[in-house]
Amino acid sequence: AQSVTQLDSHVSVSEGTPVLLRCNYSSSYSPSLFWYVQHPNKGLQLLLKYTSAATLVKGINGFEAEFKKSETSFHLTKPSAHMSDAAEYFCVVISDSNYQLIWGAGTKLIIKP
Amino acid sequence: GAVVSQHPSRVICKSGTSVKIECRSLDFQATTMFWYRQFPKKSLMLMATSNEGSKATYEQGVEKDKFLINHASLTLSTLTVTSAHPEDSSFYICSARGARGAYEQYFGPGTRLTVT
Repeated sequence: AQSVTQLDSHVSVSEGTPVLLRCNYSSSYSPSLFWYVQHPNKGLQLLLKYTSAATLVKGINGFEAEFKKSETSFHLTKPSAHMSDAAEYFCVVISDSNYQLIWGAGTKLIIKP
Repeated sequence: GAVVSQHPSRVICKSGTSVKIECRSLDFQATTMFWYRQFPKKSLMLMATSNEGSKATYEQGVEKDKFLINHASLTLSTLTVTSAHPEDSSFYICSARGARGAYEQYFGPGTRLTVT
């Protein structure tokens, strides 16, 4: 069965330092992959998506992610963290069979002042 | 574009009562809507998928008689939690998908249900 693994449940970085949130997926075909962000008690916002175009995908708020097929990874990065980036981040893949979303467990990003 | 709203954003109800949550696609027609439940510090759990004009498809373990879903129009789906109990307290999120064959889902802001 398809799956998404977010390798870290929590990531803590200092403001102004780089962010790396890791995601690995399993998929039979060329996958469609997403990163969503959820701020406390708020809805989900799409950060970026990969749909078999350029492997380096740029999203909102300075985030980007690189699709690496050989590593089955889609890690999310940002060069310089901001306090407003503190939130929960979800990596998601589209199911090959029924096009439903398969969710990672989430990574909580903590920004230290 | 592609805005999805939910109402109410927060609701507190007494045990044994029923609560209805609305999900609306504001600027597009949603052929398919999804209802998710999110437990504290957990990922989203898909409860059911509903296509306009047909019965919802529930995921395994979700009681269809307890969580009634109606997708009566292309812009509105409702989730009714019947005879609510404290264990039903959760964050409920809907999403909507547009034309058939499209895969991207647009999410509502969520509804925080607290059953006392």
